Amino acid sequence: NAGVTQTPKFQVLKTGQSMTLQCAQDMNHNSMYWYRQDPGMGLRLIYYSASEGTTDKGEVPNGYNVSRLNKREFSLRLESAAPSQTSVYFCASSESRGLGQPQHFGDGTRLSIL
Amino acid sequence: KQEVTQIPAALSVPEGENLVLNCSFTDSAIYNLQWFRQDPGKGLTSLLLIQSSQREQTSGRLNASLDKSSGRSTLYIAASQPGDSATYLCAVNPDSNYQLIWGAGTKLIIKP
Repeated sequence: NAGVTQTPKFQVLKTGQSMTLQCAQDMNHNSMYWYRQDPGMGLRLIYYSASEGTTDKGEVPNGYNVSRLNKREFSLRLESAAPSQTSVYFCASSESRGLGQPQHFGDGTRLSIL
Repeated sequence: KQEVTQIPAALSVPEGENLVLNCSFTDSAIYNLQWFRQDPGKGLTSLLLIQSSQREQTSGRLNASLDKSSGRSTLYIAASQPGDSATYLCAVNPDSNYQLIWGAGTKLIIKP
């Protein structure tokens, strides 16, 4: 049971570099999410996609872009990485957003920006 | 603005004890509340989801309660085991929208 798969698991970037974090789910879920987790803080929503073809900003979208490539895949792009974006990034999916369905998480991508 | 607080930030107890983890929120107008478990280096696993109309949910040795009027939820773990060691996070869902509001978590250590 793969569930939600994130790649890569670790990445070190230099300030100004760009990269894309990949996420795929095999549970046929409609909604997908990108969060960041910083020490001592709760998760913060970056972007979400309620369904294929739609994306919306969350609490902290600045510096990020997303693409809902198809129902399975939801990618997060950092166009010009900054040290403040050093964090652990989690992708999640749920059957739908409107019914408070539990979210299923990937194992995260640990990103360091030097 | 909804805020979610989990106190204490860390808790260490001997194996076999029953324990309670706390979650408080500032706005009682919530759609549901969820408890998650996070193991080191891993993602989050959903444990229990309590709808606003419910008072509690149970799964095995876990029992979560919800008191909206007081802005509190508790996660009760019975007969704790070393395998329960993890960080436990709660999150509230305000009015069925997409944005969960998260607590910072309680790191639980169960000593053998």
